[in-house]
Amino acid sequence: EAGVTQFPSHSVIEKGQTVTLRCDPISGHDNLYWYRRVMGKEIKFLLHFVKESKQDESGMPNNRFLAERTGGTYSTLKVQPAELEDSGVYFCASSPGYTDTQYFGPGTRLTVL
Amino acid sequence: AQSVTQLGSHVSVSEGALVLLRCNYSSSVPPYLFWYVQYPNQGLQLLLKYTTGATLVKGINGFEAEFKKSETSFHLTKPSAHMSDAAEYFCALANDYKLSFGAGTTVTVRA
Repeated sequence: EAGVTQFPSHSVIEKGQTVTLRCDPISGHDNLYWYRRVMGKEIKFLLHFVKESKQDESGMPNNRFLAERTGGTYSTLKVQPAELEDSGVYFCASSPGYTDTQYFGPGTRLTVL
Repeated sequence: AQSVTQLGSHVSVSEGALVLLRCNYSSSVPPYLFWYVQYPNQGLQLLLKYTTGATLVKGINGFEAEFKKSETSFHLTKPSAHMSDAAEYFCALANDYKLSFGAGTTVTVRA
């Protein structure tokens, strides 16, 4: 069974540009989560989808971040326009039910110059 | 508020020595606790978890952790370190679906 995959693995962009991160969860997992780790600090929750619906986006930093989950399958996280403080590692995780173990992807390392 | 504190951002151990990583938590409800590991260039992998029941939890790769409510701790141990244990380890607490992580502890294993 394939695990959670994320694309790209690394992204380097200029301040003010737009970047879109993609996450493909484990097949059949209705719950999808985004987390972020900034500059060696704690990994922080960003948001939670159940199928295609956003259940909780309380961790999203501001309105420059937009997450979608098309048809309840893969998810994208768009940052527009990117700022320097957006640099970090963005993790995606999925689980069958919301109280089940979350399985994490390898992360996308975003560098904003 | 729920939070997790990992004591020590870096731990260096000799191969064959005990690995001890400390984690303390704060929670207003009975906690679900986890240890995840991140090997270089890989994603977070679940080592073990505590939900209810037995307080000594065994995980993969010879790791185990003990839930101590009186001490609000969930320390991770492995009796004998192996070179392959070099990685970053994260303690986490679940609040429903939302995981709160500690800052992480990087383990270096000396030959």
